[in-house]
Amino acid sequence: QSVLTQPPSVSAAAGQKVTISCSGSSSNIGKNYVSWYQHLPGAAPKLLIYENNKRPSEIPDRFSGSKSGTSATLGITGLQTGDETDYYCVTWDSSLDSGVFGGGTKLTVL
Amino acid sequence: QVQLVQSGAEVKKPGASVKISCKASGYSFTRYYIHWVRQAPGHGLEWMGVINPGGETIRYAQNFQGRVRLTRDTSTSTVYMELTSLRSDDTALYYCARDEGLNYGLDVWGQGTTVTVSS
Repeated sequence: QSVLTQPPSVSAAAGQKVTISCSGSSSNIGKNYVSWYQHLPGAAPKLLIYENNKRPSEIPDRFSGSKSGTSATLGITGLQTGDETDYYCVTWDSSLDSGVFGGGTKLTVL
Repeated sequence: QVQLVQSGAEVKKPGASVKISCKASGYSFTRYYIHWVRQAPGHGLEWMGVINPGGETIRYAQNFQGRVRLTRDTSTSTVYMELTSLRSDDTALYYCARDEGLNYGLDVWGQGTTVTVSS
């Protein structure tokens, strides 16, 4: 069982918006940065969001991140079929003194 | 260009050890931490550990305490991950990834190394 809780799956229609939540605690999300990754089959994970809400230059602004208290959220607007894959949140847990991943969320674009 | 290149696939028997390399190029090796992440078949991504090639910081996930060891060779810009006492559930795809520190974001990833543990 993951320290960070993500919904196993989310879905939305092409062109619409979806959000993926990541719930943690005061020892992890509550005091550390959250990053988000897209993991396509057969490829290495790709960094989408770092330091809670920053995007690498190559990531389109359709992707956004936010954090409030002990939860974080990834938002994706203008959904495309190519967005259909797995997404993971990651942070540091100060009590465990280790990195922690969420369990992952499978996005289906209808 | 900035890249991390990992060693090739491994097949090991239960109880054996495996050592995977992650060679960095295109950037200052000692300025970025290297994390290790794995994905077992049908499972999500799992954080294993992190090493600071430029300092003394090393951290391991509790799930791997005592079985994983991270080392680095600054002369070849290479980080090594050794996993001992292999079990069948260590069969996975193992990745190394670069970060400015313990938790700023894994911006560059290796291509992954498949480790198969089977008798």
